[in-house]
Amino acid sequence: AQSVTQLDSHVSVSEGTPVLLRCNYSSSYSPSLFWYVQHPNKGLQLLLKYTSAATLVKGINGFEAEFKKSETSFHLTKPSAHMSDAAEYFCVVSVKGGTSYGKLTFGQGTILTVHP
Amino acid sequence: NAGVTQTPKFRVLKTGQSMTLLCAQDMNHEYMYWYRQDPGMGLRLIHYSVGEGTTAKGEVPDGYNVSRLKKQNFLLGLESAAPSQTSVYFCASSYRDRGQETQYFGPGTRLLVL
Repeated sequence: AQSVTQLDSHVSVSEGTPVLLRCNYSSSYSPSLFWYVQHPNKGLQLLLKYTSAATLVKGINGFEAEFKKSETSFHLTKPSAHMSDAAEYFCVVSVKGGTSYGKLTFGQGTILTVHP
Repeated sequence: NAGVTQTPKFRVLKTGQSMTLLCAQDMNHEYMYWYRQDPGMGLRLIHYSVGEGTTAKGEVPDGYNVSRLKKQNFLLGLESAAPSQTSVYFCASSYRDRGQETQYFGPGTRLLVL
């Protein structure tokens, strides 16, 4: 079985300050991990993914995430927030084995608010 | 290359009515998925397909049926809509390469059941 916990339902930052969105996961098999972003009334856009290569993954729009197996975490960061980063972010796990092969499990989402 | 498209974008139904949501992808992907998104619950898998002519149940399949008659299309049907099916529906498609898979999502269909 696999699961994802996003530790904050809402995060609020000021423009120009760092962003940290936290995600913990559990899985019985080697996981693939993703961050997707959803702007209001839009579909989901892939930000970045970890698939067992480098543990520090760089994505679009200056976001990056670090896979830490010992902590079962995959936190999303950005050094400096822009107003356009305001959106909902989903941490997603997919496993590469067992009966749940390839199925995505979504976290509950974190809404990021960026203040001027 | 349009990616994943969904039709319609928005629909209002009365309880008991039926409808079909269409998902189309032009990336020649083998795998296709239907999810529903409800506030505070992320996305939950309704049904999925691993190839033309095959479908399987996901996490929340009750009240829905699907068909994959053509590789590029994945249809989601509601035979008798209920207010609990008010949601935003997302379709996704993917392919697997050496054990790696990434799903690409459509823009969503907003459904309101009165």
